[in-house]
Amino acid sequence: AQSVAQPEDQVNVAEGNPLTVKCTYSVSGNPYLFWYVQYPNRGLQFLLKYITGDNLVKGSYGFEAEFNKSQTSFHLKKPSALVSDSALYFCAVRALTGGGNKLTFGTGTQLKVEL
Amino acid sequence: DTGVSQNPRHKITKRGQNVTFRCDPISEHNRLYWYRQTLGQGPEFLTYFQNEAQLEKSRLLSDRFSAERPKGSFSTLEIQRTEQGDSAMYLCASSVVGQGSYEQYFGPGTRLTVT
Repeated sequence: AQSVAQPEDQVNVAEGNPLTVKCTYSVSGNPYLFWYVQYPNRGLQFLLKYITGDNLVKGSYGFEAEFNKSQTSFHLKKPSALVSDSALYFCAVRALTGGGNKLTFGTGTQLKVEL
Repeated sequence: DTGVSQNPRHKITKRGQNVTFRCDPISEHNRLYWYRQTLGQGPEFLTYFQNEAQLEKSRLLSDRFSAERPKGSFSTLEIQRTEQGDSAMYLCASSVVGQGSYEQYFGPGTRLTVT
């Protein structure tokens, strides 16, 4: 079975400072990893993905994530946080059973960026 | 806008009533997924379709739940004899097979409240 852990329920950071939102995963075979962001009362918005290739992947709104196979991690990062980045962030892994591409999500991390 | 759309956005119903939700995927996306999200949790997979075929169902999808995608375009999710435990956000997502994309695009969700 596949799973995702987001160890921090909430991350607080000052605007302009770098941010990191942590994610570790467990999956059979090669992982396909994703980050999504959710604003209040909205659906999930795709940020970035790792499928293969470079361990550092870049996505929307200046976000990037680093895939580390030995640590089974896929942490989300941004060099300089904005107040508008405040939202709920979900890490997800693709399940390989049945080839269905269903996603297994973590419980989410609330990011709060303060002035 | 060519994103995933869901209707209604909100539904309040009394326990024991039947409800039906609709999802219109991104045009030409051949895979369509349903997820359920409860407060403080990440989305949980319910079922998915490739074209009109329902290829996988989660154990979360009890006999009271049924989903259809009759013409391989829009989909409906019906819950019969609703229970208070069915209160959640129901999310629909779509994706396209091949092209190396893998990511799913989510709609805004339908929030169900069972009183």
